[in-house]
Amino acid sequence: QKEVEQDPGPLSVPEGAIVSLNCTYSNSAFQYFMWYRQYSRKGPELLMYTYSSGNKEDGRFTAQVDKSSKYISLFIRDSQPSDSATYLCAMIRSGGSYIPTFGRGTSLIVHP
Amino acid sequence: ETGVTQSPTHLIKTRGQQVTLRCSSQSGHNTVSWYQQALGQGPQFIFQYYREEENGRGNFPPRFSGLQFPNYSSELNVNALELDDSALYLCASSPGGQSGNTIYFGEGSWLTVV
Repeated sequence: QKEVEQDPGPLSVPEGAIVSLNCTYSNSAFQYFMWYRQYSRKGPELLMYTYSSGNKEDGRFTAQVDKSSKYISLFIRDSQPSDSATYLCAMIRSGGSYIPTFGRGTSLIVHP
Repeated sequence: ETGVTQSPTHLIKTRGQQVTLRCSSQSGHNTVSWYQQALGQGPQFIFQYYREEENGRGNFPPRFSGLQFPNYSSELNVNALELDDSALYLCASSPGGQSGNTIYFGEGSWLTVV
């Protein structure tokens, strides 16, 4: 079993839909949680990061962490075709050298 | 723009050859990491450098080696290339310390081994 599990999709939604992207993990030592967006053949772009449990909102994006369930989510409101990309979750253990463990990414397609 | 620049962007090598990839980190960032991303997979950690010293290594063989220079730029060297080394190689920089969780990637170097 991988430390971080993420459904590769693809997830196809109509423009304007609310998108929910999720990751589960097995290591309770993870304390920092990040979401990256990666367009085709480009490097990952940091979207959001959160520390420990709770919610964080930035514009149309909301990151949610539930440490008791070892489950994190990224919600995208009013999705746009420009949101079509692969979304990677990543996690960092506390007290370490800040080396993230990545999920394999979920491919999102927002069609007009 | 993350301020992390990588070169070359694309290259093709023959099995058995050696390759050097280069990275300039974002200004003020003293920590550089390298990742390998195969098609359809998440980035896999190769190693990290902090102030010119290797500060962590993933599950990659010794033919993957690196350097960090005094200006915090970095190189990834891969010897005896294998077909499975074909991937996107990503460099990431971070400020280190308590802000080390903010990691910024370059656009990557696409390596094809034939």
